[in-house]
Amino acid sequence: AQTVTQSQPEMSVQEAETVTLSCTYDTSENNYYLFWYKQPPSRQMILVIRQEAYKQQNATENRFSVNFQKAAKSFSLKISDSQLGDTAMYFCAFQPFTGNQFYFGTGTSLTVIP
Amino acid sequence: EPEVTQTPSHQVTQMGQEVILRCVPISNHLYFYWYRQILGQKVEFLVSFYNNEISEKSEIFDDQFSVERPDGSNFTLKIRSTKLEDSAMYFCASNSGSYNEQFFGPGTRLTVL
Repeated sequence: AQTVTQSQPEMSVQEAETVTLSCTYDTSENNYYLFWYKQPPSRQMILVIRQEAYKQQNATENRFSVNFQKAAKSFSLKISDSQLGDTAMYFCAFQPFTGNQFYFGTGTSLTVIP
Repeated sequence: EPEVTQTPSHQVTQMGQEVILRCVPISNHLYFYWYRQILGQKVEFLVSFYNNEISEKSEIFDDQFSVERPDGSNFTLKIRSTKLEDSAMYFCASNSGSYNEQFFGPGTRLTVL
């Protein structure tokens, strides 16, 4: 069975600073996808960044980057130069190659403080 | 930019009643999903749907649940006889390929009294 763990229920960061959200997962699969989704207050979830497990290079999208450690089954999200609009719930998700369902963590509520 | 939409945003029902939650996926998408999130808990997969049939379902998705794509645009989740524990936020999602980004709707909050 696949499980995803986000150990930080809430975090805060000063505007313009850098913050890292942690995510670990457990799987016996060798090939899979990992995602970070963002859910702003009262809005739908949107994709922040995606990583294919077979790629060693960490994914980057502008101010968002990941630290993917396959052996450690760790997939953290780094947000640089935090902006007020980054305030949201962040969900880590896992998708095995062998299926199309997502397994989500419990989320981290991030607040960017002006 | 195209979006997944869901109606209603909030549904209140009595225990034992049937409810139908509606979703309009993005028009050229082929795969459709339902997830739910009980308050304070993680988002859980319910079912995926492709080519007019269920492709995968979780143990949560028992005989009380059904899904349908009644026309070319809507994707519905029916709960036949609601229970108190069905109270949750229900999210619809869609994508163009099973390993592509899933696009989520804003959710329907279901409250069972």
